[in-house]
Amino acid sequence: DTAVSQTPKYLVTQMGNDKSIKCEQNLGHDTMYWYKQDSKKFLKIMFSYNNKELIINETVPNRFSPKSPDKAHLNLHINSLELGDSAVYFCASSSRSAEAFFGQGTRLTVV
Amino acid sequence: AQSVSQHNHHVILSEAASLELGCNYSYGGTVNLFWYVQYPGQHLQLLLKYFSGDPLVKGIKGFEAEFIKSKFSFNLRKPSVQWSDTAEYFCAVTPTSGTYKYIFGTGTRLKVLA
Repeated sequence: DTAVSQTPKYLVTQMGNDKSIKCEQNLGHDTMYWYKQDSKKFLKIMFSYNNKELIINETVPNRFSPKSPDKAHLNLHINSLELGDSAVYFCASSSRSAEAFFGQGTRLTVV
Repeated sequence: AQSVSQHNHHVILSEAASLELGCNYSYGGTVNLFWYVQYPGQHLQLLLKYFSGDPLVKGIKGFEAEFIKSKFSFNLRKPSVQWSDTAEYFCAVTPTSGTYKYIFGTGTRLKVLA
């Protein structure tokens, strides 16, 4: 059983399109996150949700909109995609401040 | 502001060499500390963690780390590296209370030569 699963694994799209990435965790965790990993492998937190409530929004452009229908799911919708959005996006979950579990990542390429 | 510094960005070692990767953090309160590994093309996996107690913690695959509170450091070590340890290594911290937010260092790319 995959603890944190995200789909799709690869996403290639044109500039200006709107796309979504889905994430689900089966660990019973209360907190879920989205991270962006750039080409230099730097991991930066984008959002954090706790029990479906937005806790952290780290100065991410409002083209990025997370949605948490329940505490096991945290989806990421991106409007009007730009070249600079190309990166690997990781979903993660944790129980309070214990270790975070990461999904396999979604490699987004905007052309 | 919270931050994590990893001093070594690229490390190249021969098999059987010893490894030490530095990690320092800046935070005004109590934190939990982690080392994650990312093998090429894969997601992050936990190597080891420190919450409290013995400052020397052992993780998977022969890795260990030592928490030195006075130095705000959590260095990763392995006595003898293998070719399969080639990966990116990330140090991370999160506060133990309040808003849980994993802050990562910039990562260290380790290449082990066979």
